[in-house]
Amino acid sequence: QKEVEQDPGPLSVPEGAIVSLNCTYSNSAFQYFMWYRQYSRKGPELLMYTYSSGNKEDGRFTAQVDKSSKYISLFIRDSQPSDSATYLCAMSARYGGATNKLIFGTGTLLAVQP
Amino acid sequence: DAGVIQSPRHEVTEMGQEVTLRCKPISGHNSLFWYRQTMMRGLELLIYFNNNVPIDDSGMPEDRFSAKMPNASFSTLKIQPSEPRDSAVYFCASSLARGGRARNIQYFGAGTRLSVL
Repeated sequence: QKEVEQDPGPLSVPEGAIVSLNCTYSNSAFQYFMWYRQYSRKGPELLMYTYSSGNKEDGRFTAQVDKSSKYISLFIRDSQPSDSATYLCAMSARYGGATNKLIFGTGTLLAVQP
Repeated sequence: DAGVIQSPRHEVTEMGQEVTLRCKPISGHNSLFWYRQTMMRGLELLIYFNNNVPIDDSGMPEDRFSAKMPNASFSTLKIQPSEPRDSAVYFCASSLARGGRARNIQYFGAGTRLSVL
């Protein structure tokens, strides 16, 4: 079993729809949770960052973490064609050193149709 | 800042040849990561350095893979000999690693698309 599970999609939605992307994980030591967005033929870029449980909102994007269920979500409101990309969840535990390894999900391919 | 710079962007080579991928991290960053991305396995961490020292190379698939970081502004990932199953996109990322609950955000380069025929 992988440490982080993510549905690869593809997920196709009409413009303006609310999108829900999810990941589950097995390592209870994970405390830092991130969502990266990757456009075609580009490197991943950080979209949202959350420490421990709770919600975080940034414009049209909301990240939720439920540590009791080992489940994280990313919601996109009023989705736009420009949101079409692969979304990767990533998480890390707190190791002894200053650098934390990130464990990535396989990514969900999202297509927002105009 | 120009961000993380990787070269070449594309590499096509024949099985058995040596391949060298290059990375220039963001100036001032002290951690560097090499990843491999495939459709089947997603984004996998191969190795990472902290202050130019390799910390964890448990993701390096075999002895054919090696990585070096001779100074804070340059790193290489070498595959020798290359095999068709090494075909993937290889990403380099860098971050400013700090202790505590600091946000150790990784910034990725555009990647090198490697095809081994």
